[in-house]
Amino acid sequence: DTAVSQTPKYLVTQMGNDKSIKCEQNLGHDTMYWYKQDSKKFLKIMFSYNNKELIINETVPNRFSPKSPDKAHLNLHINSLELGDSAVYFCASGADQPQHFGDGTRLSIL
Amino acid sequence: GENVEQHPSTLSVQEGDSAVIKCTYSDSASNYFPWYKQELGKGPQLIIDIRSNVGEKKDQRIAVTLNKTAKHFSLHITETQPEDSAVYFCAAMPFGGTASKLTFGTGTRLQVTL
Repeated sequence: DTAVSQTPKYLVTQMGNDKSIKCEQNLGHDTMYWYKQDSKKFLKIMFSYNNKELIINETVPNRFSPKSPDKAHLNLHINSLELGDSAVYFCASGADQPQHFGDGTRLSIL
Repeated sequence: GENVEQHPSTLSVQEGDSAVIKCTYSDSASNYFPWYKQELGKGPQLIIDIRSNVGEKKDQRIAVTLNKTAKHFSLHITETQPEDSAVYFCAAMPFGGTASKLTFGTGTRLQVTL
């Protein structure tokens, strides 16, 4: 019973396409996050949602649109994919609790 | 905003030796300092954390120390084993409030050799 699960694990697509990544947590946390990890392993927050409400938006291009249908789910939709979007995207949950991370989605843009 | 620096970027130790990773932070409002271990193909996993009301915390072979005055904190791993090989990240955050966010260090790749 995985605490934070995200799908797919790998995503290979062409420049200009639109893709989505899904995330679900069964920890009962109110807050969920999206992080981007670049090729140098640097981890940077992109968004956070608390109980379906956007709390943090770290000046991410508006091609990235998070959506939270309920507090256990936070999906990430990316329009018009660019080469620079290639990275590993991590979902996490927890705010006043230590954050727990999923195993990531490796996005590769051809 | 918060800025977290982490050193060294790579660390190689022999099995059984100790490893120390150091981080500094800039924002005096930060009061929560977790450490994460990331293995290949996996997400970061919390291994230990410390809050600013204590100076040291230990969990078996892992310990973290915090110097709030100097704004630095360190991870100590004793009796290292090959399975300790991974990338380790420190982070800092003002704890509490839904708008709080973790700022990560740049990571340390630890290799434990036989």
